[in-house]
Amino acid sequence: VVMTQSPLSLPVTLGQPASISCRSSQSLVHSDGNTHLNWFQQRPGQSPRRLIYKVSNRDSGVPDRFSGSGSGTDFTLKISRVEAEDVGVYYCLQTTHWPPTFGQGTRVDIK
Amino acid sequence: EVQLVESGGGLVQPGGSLRLSCAASGFTFSTYYMSWVRQAPGKGLEWVANIKQDGSEKYHVDSVKGRFTISRDNAKSSLYLQMNSLRAEDTAVYYCARGSQLLDYWGQGTLVTVSS
Repeated sequence: VVMTQSPLSLPVTLGQPASISCRSSQSLVHSDGNTHLNWFQQRPGQSPRRLIYKVSNRDSGVPDRFSGSGSGTDFTLKISRVEAEDVGVYYCLQTTHWPPTFGQGTRVDIK
Repeated sequence: EVQLVESGGGLVQPGGSLRLSCAASGFTFSTYYMSWVRQAPGKGLEWVANIKQDGSEKYHVDSVKGRFTISRDNAKSSLYLQMNSLRAEDTAVYYCARGSQLLDYWGQGTLVTVSS
């Protein structure tokens, strides 16, 4: 399954919203009824950190300015008000189909 | 606190071998699938392999099949990746991560450089 993110680069003004799209080449609805689409943040020089699992569930400790939505083949990660600590690369990951596949990554930086 | 600590990376010549290790703590290791994910310098993430809780099922991405082998030792709470016939394109930071669909915790990574 090919995961396509857009945009690949996203300059944002502090305090403004940001939105990242992730589209899959096949539906991500699993036979178990779940949609296994996750979002990760990778800050400069750090390991990836999971933000969102199963489309819209925020991980513990993740600020509520991050939200995930979507269904089927079309998914979105939104940051309601970008802060300086949000700079980094964001990846979507599908684990519905074998093998798991990541999007190319979207680099978020401050204008 | 969940911790995953990778080790074993380094510089190796093309065709050589390395064995990566991942020491897990802070959770019941034997109850989780575990995975390896890699990231080439300046590039994105690529899932490499995963292994079932008891080691009975293992899956490897096509690009490493026949060359890499994932394994685990539940008594030592450790995950391994045996890498043989290494190629320049295997140069990457290798991360271990908890789960197969979860990938909720990641280690800090270990760098493998394949070069003559």
